[in-house]
Amino acid sequence: DTGVSQDPRHKITKRGQNVTFRCDPISEHNRLYWYRQTLGQGPEFLTYFQNEAQLEKSRLLSDRFSAERPKGSFSTLEIQRTEQGDSAMYLCASSLAGLAGGETQYFGPGTRLLVL
Amino acid sequence: KQEVTQIPAALSVPEGENLVLNCSFTDSAIYNLQWFRQDPGKGLTSLLLIQSSQREQTSGRLNASLDKSSGRSTLYIAASQPGDSATYLCAALTRGYSTLTFGKGTMLLVSP
Repeated sequence: DTGVSQDPRHKITKRGQNVTFRCDPISEHNRLYWYRQTLGQGPEFLTYFQNEAQLEKSRLLSDRFSAERPKGSFSTLEIQRTEQGDSAMYLCASSLAGLAGGETQYFGPGTRLLVL
Repeated sequence: KQEVTQIPAALSVPEGENLVLNCSFTDSAIYNLQWFRQDPGKGLTSLLLIQSSQREQTSGRLNASLDKSSGRSTLYIAASQPGDSATYLCAALTRGYSTLTFGKGTMLLVSP
């Protein structure tokens, strides 16, 4: 299967612990996005990369959150000192950026985080 | 700033009914509008994508329309089935931005 994959699919952690999620995009895609979805809400944008460069970060991305995309391939999202309010589904998407813009984003299955 | 609203928030219908889900957006300068399906605790499955130059897209029993001038899109589901039960999300990709703006979704329950 050549879709977007995310690991782990589920994570339970205690408040104050650090967690790291991984996203593997579709191989030829140069853009990678992270979204967060809480219960009853639509996904909200967190950050995105074009190749290895992080081009935009949402105000939702506090300084406890950091994302990387070394070598422009897979990406990791780390949350330090987790809080109960971080409990959510973290979704990754990828796309192939074109000159005209408006490319389709393809989503992974998500990582569900529960902070106790 | 783009805002996307979905009405109704929840919908319950008996099997076999045709139904319409509504999505409205405030900024009509969009590249495209996309409809997704989300099963409980799962990720997003793309259903239909309508480019800004298009008026509608069809896939099987699903038909999505787009009216940029009024800032509205609808998802029509024909002959609903219990397997259609899920949350349906619409998302707009706005010109000048690279990220999707989502609505909160419509939770659909189709009862046998």
